[in-house]
Amino acid sequence: AQKVTQAQTEISVVEKEDVTLDCVYETRDTTYYLFWYKQPPSGELVFLIRRNSFDEQNEISGRYSWNFQKSTSSFNFTITASQVVDSAVYFCALSVVGNSNYQLIWGAGTKLIIKP
Amino acid sequence: GAGVSQTPSNKVTEKGKYVELRCDPISGHTALYWYRQSLGQGPEFLIYFQGTGAADDSGLPNDRFFAVRPEGSVSTLKIQRTERGDSAVYLCASSLVTGVSGANVLTFGAGSRLTVL
Repeated sequence: AQKVTQAQTEISVVEKEDVTLDCVYETRDTTYYLFWYKQPPSGELVFLIRRNSFDEQNEISGRYSWNFQKSTSSFNFTITASQVVDSAVYFCALSVVGNSNYQLIWGAGTKLIIKP
Repeated sequence: GAGVSQTPSNKVTEKGKYVELRCDPISGHTALYWYRQSLGQGPEFLIYFQGTGAADDSGLPNDRFFAVRPEGSVSTLKIQRTERGDSAVYLCASSLVTGVSGANVLTFGAGSRLTVL
């Protein structure tokens, strides 16, 4: 069975602080994809990144960076110099390749509050 | 269209009533998904369409839930004999098909909030 755990229910930081959102996943499959989505107060989930299981290279996109470590089954997300506009709920999700189904397995989300 | 459009944005109904929720995906996206999201939780998969057919409906909770996509574009999620436990935000997403299952990047609509009194 597959599972995604986001242990941090809510994080609150002051603007300009760095913040890391944790994601731990479980799967017995060797080929899979990991995703991060952002859900701002408007409610629309927005895609941030996709990573396949064979690519452990970390990725940086502006103030966002992702650390994928298969040894610990983690795919953590760091926001550097946070801004108020980063306030949202962030979801980590897992998809297994080759299954007959096409569903994403989602974590419960981490609510990030950036205070001015 | 430019994005995924869902109507209505809000629906309040009484227990036992029938409800239809509509999704208009991005033009050209052959894959369409329905998810359900309860407060404080991640989305829960309901059904996946590839074209007109439901390729995976394993997430539908029971036979009160049904979805169609007759022309391979717009989809309607239908809920019969609604119950209070059906209250949630129903999310629709669409994607291009990459040819690798599991790799699709989903574009979501804003959701339809269903409240069953």
